[in-house]
Amino acid sequence: GNSVTQMEGPVTLSEEAFLTINCTYTATGYPSLFWYVQYPGEGLQLLLKATKADDKGSNKGFEATYRKETTSFHLEKGSVQVSDSAVYFCALSDLPNNQGGKLIFGQGTELSVKP
Amino acid sequence: GAVVSQHPSRVICKSGTSVKIECRSLDFQATTMFWYRQFPKQSLMLMATSNEGSKATYEQGVEKDKFLINHASLTLSTLTVTSAHPEDSSFYICSATGAYSGANVLTFGAGSRLTVL
Repeated sequence: GNSVTQMEGPVTLSEEAFLTINCTYTATGYPSLFWYVQYPGEGLQLLLKATKADDKGSNKGFEATYRKETTSFHLEKGSVQVSDSAVYFCALSDLPNNQGGKLIFGQGTELSVKP
Repeated sequence: GAVVSQHPSRVICKSGTSVKIECRSLDFQATTMFWYRQFPKQSLMLMATSNEGSKATYEQGVEKDKFLINHASLTLSTLTVTSAHPEDSSFYICSATGAYSGANVLTFGAGSRLTVL
């Protein structure tokens, strides 16, 4: 079945460091891919998404490119801030045409950014 | 826009009692709602999918008699944890999908933390 695998955390970085959180997926067909962020004590917020191969999603300085050849959707940010400390979830939707809905999540990666 | 509200955000109950959690779409009609469970420092596990006016579809391994889901209107779904036990303590999150401003949206609630004593 479909699945998402993320790099294990926690990831601890200094402010202004470069961030990469790896995400790979297994899916039939052409899933849509998402990154969600969960700040302490809060629900999930959509960070960015990509709906087809080679699409790049971007938001708030974060980027991720849908790589079908490597089945990956790695999250990157050039310079992290303390306020980026949160748990990041990679997810896929196996519904066609990006209709959203049922999502399959990776295990989450906790990011801690130190001043 | 496309806001989903969950209530209560935190609830503490005694073992053996039942607890109801509400998930409301405030400014759009949610044709489908999803209920997830999140254990500490773990991923979200889908429990069930509910469509307005029909029975929920539960994922494998989820007890439908334990976790009652009702989706009586296009803006409200409820999850009732019946005869709760300490092992039911968890963070429950709903999401809703529907049309908003001409586009299909998927929005998550802020979650409800259940503690069973």
